[in-house]
Amino acid sequence: DGGITQSPKYLFRKEGQNVTLSCEQNLNHDAMYWYRQDPGQGLRLIYYSQIVNDFQKGDIAEGYSVSREKKESFPLTVTSAQKNPTAFYLCASSMRESTYNEQFFGPGTRLTVL
Amino acid sequence: DAKTTQPPSMDCAEGRAANLPCNHSTISGNEYVYWYRQIHSQGPQYIIHGLKNNETNEMASLIITEDRKSSTLILPHATLRDTAVYYCIVRVRAAGNKLTFGGGTRVLVKP
Repeated sequence: DGGITQSPKYLFRKEGQNVTLSCEQNLNHDAMYWYRQDPGQGLRLIYYSQIVNDFQKGDIAEGYSVSREKKESFPLTVTSAQKNPTAFYLCASSMRESTYNEQFFGPGTRLTVL
Repeated sequence: DAKTTQPPSMDCAEGRAANLPCNHSTISGNEYVYWYRQIHSQGPQYIIHGLKNNETNEMASLIITEDRKSSTLILPHATLRDTAVYYCIVRVRAAGNKLTFGGGTRVLVKP
């Protein structure tokens, strides 16, 4: 089945530790995105990448880092510099050139900092 | 991207049509109206999008006013599984363009 996978579904970390969230897609999409969602709120864009080896900051990039070494993978690292990292993290992908230009979302990773 | 305004919540009876309004009075000529929904603790799901004309697919219908300043998403026969937060988003349909999510409308379908 084609789609986007995120792992793990639930993640716990101690304060001060870096943690990396995985996002993999087999849809052959060029563009990938990371969003953060806090309880009762909409999604906010962290980083996005339109092509391999290139990525741009979104609206709330501070305390996060990404890499895009492969087309199908876009891991997100939550660093110790992120002051309030507990949230629901969503990865998405889309075709660069598409009639619909819709984004497909993964199931999300819920990160809790203890 | 143009800002959108949606009611925070609404209830709908199972089997009836659900009409979800969205105001986007500052929309520009090259911006499309997109609708997504998010079921609790899942990733958002694309529903439909349109520019000027009304659109219909297997999930819903989208009615856009002639001046394009507002639109309505119609779920023709709401089921309990349609309970979700529905987001109306206005954006340029450009390559790799990001989505800007507002608060959305929390729809509760009741038996």
